[in-house]
Amino acid sequence: GAGVSQSPSNKVTEKGKDVELRCDPISGHTALYWYRQSLGQGLEFLIYFQGNSAPDKSGLPSDRFSAERTGGSVSTLTIQRTQQEDSAVYLCASRSNYEQYFGPGTRLTVT
Amino acid sequence: DQQVKQNSPSLSVQEGRISILNCDYTNSMFDYFLWYKKYPAEGPTFLISISSIKDKNEDGRFTVFLNKSAKHLSLHIVPSQPGDSAVYFCAARRQGAQKLVFGQGTRLTINP
Repeated sequence: GAGVSQSPSNKVTEKGKDVELRCDPISGHTALYWYRQSLGQGLEFLIYFQGNSAPDKSGLPSDRFSAERTGGSVSTLTIQRTQQEDSAVYLCASRSNYEQYFGPGTRLTVT
Repeated sequence: DQQVKQNSPSLSVQEGRISILNCDYTNSMFDYFLWYKKYPAEGPTFLISISSIKDKNEDGRFTVFLNKSAKHLSLHIVPSQPGDSAVYFCAARRQGAQKLVFGQGTRLTINP
């Protein structure tokens, strides 16, 4: 069965460039989350989408970060003017009931 | 403010013995706790959970214990197997909230 997929799996970008990360959730899951994991750290919540409700953006670290979810399915996380501290693994998860199912993540390296 | 803490970054256990992973939390509003397991280059996978109305939940080799008065939970794996080697994350959810708060993770290594 299809799980959560993310693309690209790895992204290397130069400081100051914009990047887009994509998440395809499990079909039928109405809730979608973005997290990031910096080196040696736990998972840090970024943003949460639930159906047609306004997203919970409380975890976004700065206004350089934004995310959208089109048609209640695919989501893209955009980081503008990337900085070296943005380097991390960005994880997407979708949820049906209680448990969140994670994708494999996108490893972002800002040089 | 780290609301969920896993104070041991790593743990090494011999195959066949018991592995005990610990997690402490500070927010008394948390009412649901989960453990996730993560292999390299993969996303975390759900392992086991416990509601705050319980103090123990068991699933095969995995048991989670919750001590609300101490704001402490632990994951017991017995017997430990080489395939259990992974990073384990403790997570908590506040009542009515949808997002999870994760600990920093503990890398478990099972030695043959």
